[in-house]
Amino acid sequence: DAGVIQSPRHEVTEMGQEVTLRCKPISGHDYLFWYRQTMMRGLELLIYFNNNVPIDDSGMPEDRFSAKMPNASFSTLKIQPSEPRDSAVYFCASSFPGSEQYFGPGTRLTVT
Amino acid sequence: SQQGEEDPQALSIQEGENATMNCSYKTSINNLQWYRQNSGRGLVHLILIRSNEREKHSGRLRVTLDTSKKSSSLLITASRAADTASYFCATDNAGNMLTFGGGTRLMVKP
Repeated sequence: DAGVIQSPRHEVTEMGQEVTLRCKPISGHDYLFWYRQTMMRGLELLIYFNNNVPIDDSGMPEDRFSAKMPNASFSTLKIQPSEPRDSAVYFCASSFPGSEQYFGPGTRLTVT
Repeated sequence: SQQGEEDPQALSIQEGENATMNCSYKTSINNLQWYRQNSGRGLVHLILIRSNEREKHSGRLRVTLDTSKKSSSLLITASRAADTASYFCATDNAGNMLTFGGGTRLMVKP
């Protein structure tokens, strides 16, 4: 298996633009997680899905953030409109129930 | 909010020495996990210890868990320069959802 795949690896955009981050989990994993990592706040869980259904989105910072998982092999995290404070590394991870999580390489987002 | 808090925040040692990192948490857990993150990379799972276990080994890694003190430690023996990374503890206290600590930055000097 190729592991968790994220795209793009780097994204630079201007304030106000829409940003879409993509994730392909490991095949067969039931759970998918979106995290954000910054120096100031560390690693934060934004939202997670079980069998494509959002279970807990309490970590989503604002209505500008939305996430979808239309099928077992694909998820998106969208920010609209983007702001400079959204600059961070966004990680996707997947897992079996009650097991370790496998992280993707991350998307480094810079909003200018 | 962070469930796990690592101590120390940064650690610098010579190659061959042992490195010990500690993690404290606040609420009851199902399991506790340790991850490593190399600069610019995603996190890599190292070891998972369940709440009914006290110690676990994996190669040069030794993890202990004391649920009465709500603490865990990660010991890396005979460290190598390649062990240079940030190490995070994460607690699973609600089934499948992990809460990560702030991490320990380990530097192993050759």
